[in-house]
Amino acid sequence: GEDVEQSLFLSVREGDSSVINCTYTDSSSTYLYWYKQEPGAGLQLLTYIFSNMDMKQDQRLTVLLNKKDKHLSLRIADTQTGDSAIYFCAETGTYKYIFGTGTRLKVLA
Amino acid sequence: KAGVTQTPRYLIKTRGQQVTLSCSPISGHRSVSWYQQTPGQGLQFLFEYFSETQRNKGNFPGRFSGRQFSNSRSEMNVSTLELGDSALYLCASSWGRTYNTEAFFGQGTRLTVV
Repeated sequence: GEDVEQSLFLSVREGDSSVINCTYTDSSSTYLYWYKQEPGAGLQLLTYIFSNMDMKQDQRLTVLLNKKDKHLSLRIADTQTGDSAIYFCAETGTYKYIFGTGTRLKVLA
Repeated sequence: KAGVTQTPRYLIKTRGQQVTLSCSPISGHRSVSWYQQTPGQGLQFLFEYFSETQRNKGNFPGRFSGRQFSNSRSEMNVSTLELGDSALYLCASSWGRTYNTEAFFGQGTRLTVV
């Protein structure tokens, strides 16, 4: 099937780390992406990982990929109130992106 | 480098009307994809164009159509609007001869059908 699964909500305190999880379906996806959507806005590409990598770090963002379990995670270090948004993981299907349901991250001051 | 531009940002239409949305991709990008985002269905793929040709289409009725011009700008059209067409319509552009390339999204057009 095409279901990319994410938990719906995550709440963290400012300064803590956030970990957003995603389970994808297509083991042939070459890239896996994380997008951020703020209220009323489009999707902002945050980072991506090539499928032959296990980890990618980009400033406060760390992406971990477990190909065996088809599990992808996004860790945000030192989470700030400006990180409050919906986060989508996406895999590249045969000809389109397949998006997860989105995780709403709420950062408490 | 300018990003993906979608116009208009907001639209209110009446059931039965038709609507045209526009997307200007990042300069040099030749692939434009359209997605519909609703609270219930999430992000659903509509169609994708590359060099003026529709390469792929999602599972939407024929009321949804699109086209791409020689300058890579794309339009999508929805005819005979229904209440359920109310959604955020997102356009994504990529360099994209293959599908495994980064896609950059516009701000979206929020369509409300009343």
